[in-house]
Amino acid sequence: GDSVTQMEGPVTLSEEAFLTINCTYTATGYPSLFWYVQYPGEGLQLLLKATKADDKGSNKGFEATYRKETTSFHLEKGSVQVSDSAVYFCALWGGYNKLIFGAGTRLAVHP
Amino acid sequence: NAGVMQNPRHLVRRRGQEARLRCSPMKGHSHVYWYRQLPEEGLKFMVYLQKENIIDESGMPKERFSAEFPKEGPSILRIQQVVRGDSAAYFCASSEGQGGTDTQYFGPGTRLTVL
Repeated sequence: GDSVTQMEGPVTLSEEAFLTINCTYTATGYPSLFWYVQYPGEGLQLLLKATKADDKGSNKGFEATYRKETTSFHLEKGSVQVSDSAVYFCALWGGYNKLIFGAGTRLAVHP
Repeated sequence: NAGVMQNPRHLVRRRGQEARLRCSPMKGHSHVYWYRQLPEEGLKFMVYLQKENIIDESGMPKERFSAEFPKEGPSILRIQQVVRGDSAAYFCASSEGQGGTDTQYFGPGTRLTVL
């Protein structure tokens, strides 16, 4: 079945460092791909999405490109801030009534 | 436009009691999804409902769990005779349409603790 694999955390960075969180997927067909962010004690917020191959989703300085050839959707940000500390979830919509989530990657940014 | 509302935010139950979790979707949204998040894990799909209909309950345990989305009022996730393993965060999401191009918006979750 469809699945999502994320790099394990926690990821610890200093402020202004470059961020990459890897995400790969397994799916039949051409799923839509998403990154959600969860701040402590809160629900998930959509960060960005891409619905077809080679699409780039971007929001708040974060970017991810839908790579069909490598089945990947890695999240990147050029300069992280302390306020970016959260758990990041990669997810796919495979057309079966549900989002399928990765296990999440915790990011901690220190001043 | 208010977001997805869930209540209660925190719920404590003793083993054997019933838990009722409520979800009010965003205005204009007729599609509701319930997910469960165990500690340190990702979210797992439980059930997908439209008004008065369960569309997909493939992720919901066959026993003790039920869900509804009546014509009027919030969606309800009901857990009967709770056990310690039911302790988790339960998130509701809603969307305007169904499918990958319609974003699912999540509520703040209900954190259930079973003593």
